[in-house]
Amino acid sequence: AQSVTQLDSHVSVSEGTPVLLRCNYSSSYSPSLFWYVQHPNKGLQLLLKYTSAATLVKGINGFEAEFKKSETSFHLTKPSAHMSDAAEYFCVVSDTSGTYKYIFGTGTRLKVLA
Amino acid sequence: GAVVSQHPSRVICKSGTSVKIECRSLDFQATTMFWYRQFPKQSLMLMATSNEGSKATYEQGVEKDKFLINHASLTLSTLTVTSAHPEDSSFYICSARELPGSSYNSPLHFGNGTRLTVT
Repeated sequence: AQSVTQLDSHVSVSEGTPVLLRCNYSSSYSPSLFWYVQHPNKGLQLLLKYTSAATLVKGINGFEAEFKKSETSFHLTKPSAHMSDAAEYFCVVSDTSGTYKYIFGTGTRLKVLA
Repeated sequence: GAVVSQHPSRVICKSGTSVKIECRSLDFQATTMFWYRQFPKQSLMLMATSNEGSKATYEQGVEKDKFLINHASLTLSTLTVTSAHPEDSSFYICSARELPGSSYNSPLHFGNGTRLTVT
């Protein structure tokens, strides 16, 4: 069965400094992994996805993530945080058993300090 | 890009009444839509999978008679919370995948959610 673990429930960074949000996955098959962002009282917006093509995936708003099979990780990074990046971030793995359900991590709340 | 429209964004209702939430895929077709519930400061909990032209598939522990799902067309799914009670107050979010490509590789597109408050 697939699962994802987001290692930090809260992350605080100063504006202009790098962002690292950690995600580890468990999957019996080659996984499809996604990062989504959720601003308060809003739905989820897709940041990027990994689907077994390039291991370094670039997304929107300057975010990127690297798929590392040996470490079973899919960490999200951004070189320089902006105040507007403050939000909840979810790492997601897609079930490959045929149901196509999403399996969500517990989320990481990113706080950006001025 | 693919857009999922969810309506209403907020609703307040009295205990015992029913509330309908609509989820529309605006520029694509979706045979499958998903309904989630999110409690404050928590992750999303899948409630049910809505299948166009057939019955919804509910997750364990979700009351299908309380949360009625109808997927009448390839672009519309509705969730009706029947006889709502204060404990049903929550944030409800729908999502959909585009056709073709309804596979695990295809990303889900999410609506903006509905904040339900039952008084």
